[in-house]
Amino acid sequence: QKEVEQDPGPLSVPEGAIVSLNCTYSNSAFQYFMWYRQYSRKGPELLMYTYSSGNKEDGRFTAQVDKSSKYISLFIRDSQPSDSATYLCAMSSLNSGGYQKVTFGTGTKLQVIP
Amino acid sequence: DAGITQSPRHKVTETGTPVTLRCHQTENHRYMYWYRQDPGHGLRLIHYSYGVKDTDKGEVSDGYSVSRSKTEDFLLTLESATSSQTSVYFCAISESAGETQYFGPGTRLLVL
Repeated sequence: QKEVEQDPGPLSVPEGAIVSLNCTYSNSAFQYFMWYRQYSRKGPELLMYTYSSGNKEDGRFTAQVDKSSKYISLFIRDSQPSDSATYLCAMSSLNSGGYQKVTFGTGTKLQVIP
Repeated sequence: DAGITQSPRHKVTETGTPVTLRCHQTENHRYMYWYRQDPGHGLRLIHYSYGVKDTDKGEVSDGYSVSRSKTEDFLLTLESATSSQTSVYFCAISESAGETQYFGPGTRLLVL
C-alpha cells in the first residue's frame, strides 16, 4: 500500500465548475501538506502549503487538511481552461536525520473544457 | 522556475554509457534534490544534498551517484545507463530542510 494515494483521473469539467481534488495518506507522522501544479512537460510548481488541519485559501484555491481522517483536498473555484494540468499532492515528515522527507502522490490530471 | 536550470533538457543515450545531468541554481539555497518522475510512481527521490560535498541517498539511489562541489551546482551521474533509467529527471531546491521545494524544468532521458 502506498503511503499517499491519489486518483490519477483524468478529470474533465466545464469552465466555471468547482473542482475537488483529493489525496489520502496512511502515515500519521506527516506534518506538512502541499499541492503542486504541473503543466505538460514542465516542472511542478508550488500552489499551496499548509501545516495544520483546517482550510487555507489563496484566490480561487482552497486547501483543506483533515488529519483525523488522513485526507487532504484542493478546491478550485470558477475553474478556467488555464487550470488544465496535473495536480500533485505532497506530504512531508521529519526523518531520523533531521531531513523533511517529502512523499508525492502520483497526480490527478485535470482538464477544464471551455 | 525559481532560478533553477537543468542541462541537458533532452538526451538520448545507449545502454551502458555514462550520463551526467546538471542542475544549476542562482538562489543560494542550501538543499538540492534529484527526483525521477515515472507514470504510476509519481516523483521519487534519488539523492539529495544538504551542503557542499554533503549528500545522502533517497529511495531509488541504486545506479546513480551525485556530486556537489559548489553551492550552485548539483550533478547526477548514471554510471552505466540502463533502459529502466529512462525517465524525466527533476532537480529541486529548498532553503532549509523544512522549507518547501522548488523544481527545475526537468530533463527527459531516453536510454535505448
